[in-house]
Amino acid sequence: DIQMTQSPSSLSASVGDRVTITCRASQSISSYLNWYQQKEGKAPKLLIYAASSLQSGVPSRFSGSGSGTDFTLTISSLQLEDFATYYCQQTYSSPGTFGGGARVEIK
Amino acid sequence: QMQLVQSGAEVEKPGASVKVSCKASGYLFTSYHIHWVRQAPGQGLEWMGMINPSGGSTSFAQRFQGRVTMTRDTSTNTVYMELSSLRSEDTAVYYCARTKDGGYFPCYGMDVWGQGTTVTVSS
Repeated sequence: DIQMTQSPSSLSASVGDRVTITCRASQSISSYLNWYQQKEGKAPKLLIYAASSLQSGVPSRFSGSGSGTDFTLTISSLQLEDFATYYCQQTYSSPGTFGGGARVEIK
Repeated sequence: QMQLVQSGAEVEKPGASVKVSCKASGYLFTSYHIHWVRQAPGQGLEWMGMINPSGGSTSFAQRFQGRVTMTRDTSTNTVYMELSSLRSEDTAVYYCARTKDGGYFPCYGMDVWGQGTTVTVSS
């Protein structure tokens, strides 16, 4: 199975900050990397697919980059509604493993 | 609009089975694979498996092999996930989700999610 490692596991930031979360795959997954946002008690929401493609309806302050084994999710200017947990997931091969999550909290 | 609506919360005893449903609407049911993902309390997301609603073929994570069954009913646009031999560690919220670009791996993530079904395993 492909292992997905996210860092940091949590961070504190202020509104307006630039936030970066990284995800590393244990082997190459080409660009089959997705990012989800999950708020407490809610289902995950797809933000970025294919490493860098913005899902319809997602604000442009979210962006993704990377290929192969190293990927990044960036929030250019953190908003109040962005405080949540973020997960990466590889969908290159079964099983579609998730990273451990990165919790973004208010500083 | 496209949506997946799941069945309600379940409470089961250890050793029992649970069957969760996921009804699709707003899109062509047979064109998009459905995944099942679970989340234990305070934990991360765990991919369990997927089903092709068109032919019924399935693929499961190794750790669930032999304990999970996924089926579909094309007459009602519903998929089902049944987990047997339940233990306390299976207490979780179970989600169904649609593959964005329809198919098996490799694919582009999951764009439509159900609201989640809480399964509690307790004696």
